[in-house]
Amino acid sequence: DAGITQSPRHKVTETGTPVTLRCHQTENHRYMYWYRQDPGHGLRLIHYSYGVKDTDKGEVSDGYSVSRSKTEDFLLTLESATSSQTSVYFCAISGQGILNNEQFFGPGTRLTVL
Amino acid sequence: GQQVMQIPQYQHVQEGEDFTTYCNSSTTLSNIQWYKQRPGGHPVFLIQLVKSGEVKKQKRLTFQFGEAKKNSSLHITATQTTDVGTYFCASPTGTASKLTFGTGTRLQVTL
Repeated sequence: DAGITQSPRHKVTETGTPVTLRCHQTENHRYMYWYRQDPGHGLRLIHYSYGVKDTDKGEVSDGYSVSRSKTEDFLLTLESATSSQTSVYFCAISGQGILNNEQFFGPGTRLTVL
Repeated sequence: GQQVMQIPQYQHVQEGEDFTTYCNSSTTLSNIQWYKQRPGGHPVFLIQLVKSGEVKKQKRLTFQFGEAKKNSSLHITATQTTDVGTYFCASPTGTASKLTFGTGTRLQVTL
């Protein structure tokens, strides 16, 4: 497996509290992504990054923000968690080039918002 | 935006039976990727198909890319319990190596 870690792996929080999830890679890949996975919806892209301090929104970005101050770290923040954000969150990384764009996923973070 | 439809959503087979999942798009795809996610695990890249009509094999798994590059299939011959999991297709969309994932097919194999 590619060198990707996510922390925390599990978190239970209350509605209205801020939450930050961390993704760390040791592969020096340019692209990083945050997905959420919910039953019946597959993997949905929240935000992605194409370089340090370069980020953009995915298809389900409302209620989430991200930051990437170093190549190896990509943070996902829920400013004020809601129950609808209960999900499994996956970070992924990818290299460059149209034929080398397979993604490598981290182990996931299971977030429960009560 | 681009949508990739995947069918079936779920399939339950007896060990030794074959299994196929299909991925369909209304637009031409530059390439198609397949991932497997074991229960409780994370998606793992299996293969990428690029050429029209391409067929690739990995042991009991056969991957096909349609002639029009709008559909793809994954066929497993003689399933085993180790094949249990959810299989996703995915295709590039936009820039930054982004992928659009199908909704996945969950495979259950029983003895």
